[in-house]
Amino acid sequence: EVQLVESGGGLVQPGGSLRLSCAASGFTFSNFGMNWVRQAPGKGLEWVSYISSDGSTIYYTDSVKGRFTISRDNAKTSLSLQMDSLRAEDTAVYHCASGAFDFWGQGTLVTVSS
Amino acid sequence: QAVLTQPAALSASPGASASLTCTLRSGINVDTSRIYWFQQKPGSPPRYLLRYNSDSDKEEGSGVPSRFSGSKDASANAGFLLISGLQFEDEADYYCMIWHSSAWVFGGGTKVTVL
Repeated sequence: EVQLVESGGGLVQPGGSLRLSCAASGFTFSNFGMNWVRQAPGKGLEWVSYISSDGSTIYYTDSVKGRFTISRDNAKTSLSLQMDSLRAEDTAVYHCASGAFDFWGQGTLVTVSS
Repeated sequence: QAVLTQPAALSASPGASASLTCTLRSGINVDTSRIYWFQQKPGSPPRYLLRYNSDSDKEEGSGVPSRFSGSKDASANAGFLLISGLQFEDEADYYCMIWHSSAWVFGGGTKVTVL
């Protein structure tokens, strides 16, 4: 059974940093690209970032470029999102999702507030 | 103008068919766009329903009922999610998505009410 479990969310002040993790199991993690997708409270879905299976190809949505960094550790079957210079508008539930979006984690809530 | 536009809401009766529209911005060609569809219920992550490019290039998600299907209309520059035989359990938010300019882009979502 495929499982994606996010962690690392919490309350952080504007300008602060947070690192999200996604633990993957139930499939050959190293063969697949991965995504982060977020959803602000009461709002729609917003794709954040993608990383290819070997980490060589990375994409970001414009609003997080230069502030967020996606990475992966295939040996540990783990996906990460380093979030710096956080803003109030980054407040959302962050989901990790498989490259083809066929599997999703439950998400972790990030709240940026003073 | 948004890349993908979806009606905010749609309501239909049980047993009826519902067609959800995802209109691509002018200049983005639906003919060359694979359109993904997701269902999301309150408190749950999105569920992958299907992707549709053509009748020969389509994929349904695992366990997705056959009453969910996709289509496209070049004249409308839009993709569609058809739900036939609506059931109360289909009440949810539905999102479309495409790959555009090196980014995945979601539509704003359509809230489907079954009443």
